[in-house]
Amino acid sequence: EADIYQTPRYLVIGTGKKITLECSQTMGHDKMYWYQQDPGMELHLIHYSYGVNSTEKGDLSPESTVSRIRTEHFPLTLESARPSHTSQYLCASTPGAGGGETQYFGPGTRLLVL
Amino acid sequence: GESVGLHLPTLSVQEGDNSIINCAYSNSASDYFIWYKQESGKGPQFIIDIRSNMDKRQGQRVTVLLNKTVKHLSLQIAATQPGDSAVYFCAGTAGNTPLVFGKGTRLSVIA
Repeated sequence: EADIYQTPRYLVIGTGKKITLECSQTMGHDKMYWYQQDPGMELHLIHYSYGVNSTEKGDLSPESTVSRIRTEHFPLTLESARPSHTSQYLCASTPGAGGGETQYFGPGTRLLVL
Repeated sequence: GESVGLHLPTLSVQEGDNSIINCAYSNSASDYFIWYKQESGKGPQFIIDIRSNMDKRQGQRVTVLLNKTVKHLSLQIAATQPGDSAVYFCAGTAGNTPLVFGKGTRLSVIA
């Protein structure tokens, strides 16, 4: 069982607000990921990081930014929330080199933008 | 927000029967594959993985089969139980690239 946490679990917010979704893992994993998933649909990679000060964009064109200042912390920020951002956001981490590639997921944040 | 795309394929099985969930991949360089189970309101949970140097791997009640010739992966669940009802995703990676997830299959177990 992996220790990866996401807060908040649920968030309802108005259009135009700035929000930050938190993700933390206590396993010292190098690699972390953010996925966007609509209910019952596939996962889309929006950001990933292979270590501190390293961030990359995923397959889905993101309208968000991430930072990786500490190994255990990978927050995602929406500068101006829109209804199209309504979705579930999943954070995951992987040990990295020598530790296997299995991704461990957090419980997700369900975001509703009104 | 509006969501455009195909809904997940659904597999319905009787409790106690075996389930087979299939997945096709396109990247012939993929060398590592994972099956995940996702229950409603939760993040995906690791079930079993397999590397490309293997064609079969077994876990507790689950078996993954890999056919690299036709780029096909399957998950077999023996004696399916109501608790197995969930969405199942396959995912694969080539080298150091991020995992690519399939569209998923919704498994419904009929008691």
